[in-house]
Amino acid sequence: GNSVTQMEGPVTLSEEAFLTINCTYTATGYPSLFWYVQYPGEGLQLLLKATKADDKGSNKGFEATYRKETTSFHLEKGSVQVSDSAVYFCALRGGTSYGKLTFGQGTILTVHP
Amino acid sequence: DTGVSQNPRHKITKRGQNVTFRCDPISEHNRLYWYRQTLGQGPEFLTYFQNEAQLEKSRLLSDRFSAERPKGSFSTLEIQRTEQGDSAMYLCASTPDGGNTGELFFGEGSRLTVL
Repeated sequence: GNSVTQMEGPVTLSEEAFLTINCTYTATGYPSLFWYVQYPGEGLQLLLKATKADDKGSNKGFEATYRKETTSFHLEKGSVQVSDSAVYFCALRGGTSYGKLTFGQGTILTVHP
Repeated sequence: DTGVSQNPRHKITKRGQNVTFRCDPISEHNRLYWYRQTLGQGPEFLTYFQNEAQLEKSRLLSDRFSAERPKGSFSTLEIQRTEQGDSAMYLCASTPDGGNTGELFFGEGSRLTVL
């Protein structure tokens, strides 16, 4: 079946630091890949997506590249802000899954001034 | 507000009681999903509706759980004879039928605490 694995443990950074959150996946066929973000007290919202190999998704300074050879979709940002503090979820959508998403366990990001 | 709406936001109940959660999706979104999220974990798929038809159910959805979407608009998720292990955040999401963007629009969730 489909599965998503994210780097374990919370991430704590100082403002303007570089961010990487690792995500790897297992899926049959050619899934679409997503990063969702959950800010404190809010619902999950789409951050970025990529639908085929070598696509790069980007939004709000965040980027992730769909790497089929390494089955990865790592999230990066060059300079984080305090307002980026949130929980980040990597997810995939399989080809025949009625559009449902399979999520990773989430990574808590805390950015200090 | 035209987002996905879930009620109640928080429910505290005693073990053995029944609870029901309601989800109002974004208008004209034909696809509706229920997920469960426990502390420190990502959302886990429970069930999927296309209009009023329930097309997929996860093995996580025991026979104590039932979901309906009677008119293809709002949906309810009922848990009978609640157990402490049912304590979780229950999330609802919707998306337009045939949309290929993959984006699911989530509500803020209904948190269940079983004492």
